Amino acid sequence: DTGVSQNPRHKITKRGQNVTFRCDPISEHNRLYWYRQTLGQGPEFLTYFQNEAQLEKSRLLSDRFSAERPKGSFSTLEIQRTEQGDSAMYLCASSLVGGPMNTEAFFGQGTRLTVV
Amino acid sequence: ILNVEQSPQSLHVQEGDSTNFTCSFPSSNFYALHWYRWETAKSPEALFVMTLNGDEKKKGRISATLNTKEGYSYLYIKGSQPEDSATYLCASVTGFQKLVFGTGTRLLVSP
Repeated sequence: DTGVSQNPRHKITKRGQNVTFRCDPISEHNRLYWYRQTLGQGPEFLTYFQNEAQLEKSRLLSDRFSAERPKGSFSTLEIQRTEQGDSAMYLCASSLVGGPMNTEAFFGQGTRLTVV
Repeated sequence: ILNVEQSPQSLHVQEGDSTNFTCSFPSSNFYALHWYRWETAKSPEALFVMTLNGDEKKKGRISATLNTKEGYSYLYIKGSQPEDSATYLCASVTGFQKLVFGTGTRLLVSP
């Protein structure tokens, strides 16, 4: 397995455009997380999935953000009508939850979004 | 404590110095505490997963302790090296197994 993969690595978009990011987790992992990171801050929780079920979406997240994990494998994060404040690094992580061991999360390299 | 808090925010030490950071987390509904190292231009990588009160884990020159009753964990680096320069993140895992991160401690080790 090649680890968690995120695409694209970088995205520059004009304000008002829609963008979609993809995350391919480690294949046997049932838990998938999305985080946003801005300069000087730690990863801010956005949403997470157990298999295909979305368990929680951050209350700080506007309705312009939506995420899916249709078959419990890859996930997409869509931002509609982007704003300059959406510029950030978007991180995806996956883990295996429910077994006898507490396993750590494995992160992708992130998608850097710049809204101009 | 409602959020995960880390201190100090940043730290600059000389090569060979020993250092430590603090992570404070909500002690209610505790499930686990994770430590990650995040080097520039790389992905965060797990250092430790800790679950038991009084737990102490070690990996080379880095070690961590856990106090779940009072809600804190310490990360220690003995004899810091320039390659230890990174952001160190802790994450609290609640009973719903959601990872909530602190803001991190940025460590710079000068030769």
